[in-house]
Amino acid sequence: AQTVTQSQPEMSVQEAETVTLSCTYDTSESDYYLFWYKQPPSRQMILVIRQEAYKQQNATENRFSVNFQKAAKSFSLKISDSQLGDAAMYFCAYRGGLTSGSRLTFGEGTQLTVNP
Amino acid sequence: GAVVSQHPSRVICKSGTSVKIECRSLDFQATTMFWYRQFPKQSLMLMATSNEGSKATYEQGVEKDKFLINHASLTLSTLTVTSAHPEDSSFYICSATVSLLAKNIQYFGAGTRLSVL
Repeated sequence: AQTVTQSQPEMSVQEAETVTLSCTYDTSESDYYLFWYKQPPSRQMILVIRQEAYKQQNATENRFSVNFQKAAKSFSLKISDSQLGDAAMYFCAYRGGLTSGSRLTFGEGTQLTVNP
Repeated sequence: GAVVSQHPSRVICKSGTSVKIECRSLDFQATTMFWYRQFPKQSLMLMATSNEGSKATYEQGVEKDKFLINHASLTLSTLTVTSAHPEDSSFYICSATVSLLAKNIQYFGAGTRLSVL
């Protein structure tokens, strides 16, 4: 079974600074997808960024980027120029390839605090 | 992105009553819908996978007679917590999968906070 591990229960960053959230996963599949979701105090889950395992290029969405290391099974999220609105719980998630259904496996989450 | 509407956002009920939670995909047809349960400061725990027109697939340890799931159409799935008890109090979240260029992205509802007195 696939597992996702987030080893940082809490992280903090100063406004305008950069922070990196860690995520590792375990799988025997070669085709899969990785996601970072954000859950603010409203508790609405919001997709931040996604990465296809077959792509070598790291995904980027504005201030959010990932460092995808397939061999190491690592998928970290970098938030640049942190803003107060970035404060939230961040979940790393794994989904198998198209033939294995679309269920997500979530990590334990990292609570990010942004200090003004 | 796609919108998933979940209703109600909060419900308080007496022990022994049943509560129905609705999950609707507003602007797309959802291939599959998922139901999660989340305890405070914890991750999302998958309860069941719901496909339109077929029986839901429940995760190990989730009582199917306790948590009834009906997926009557490609845009609506419902979760009914039957004979609710205080230990069923939790935050319930649904998600819907849209097959967009085969990316199968999951979009989430805003969640339902259930409090059983």
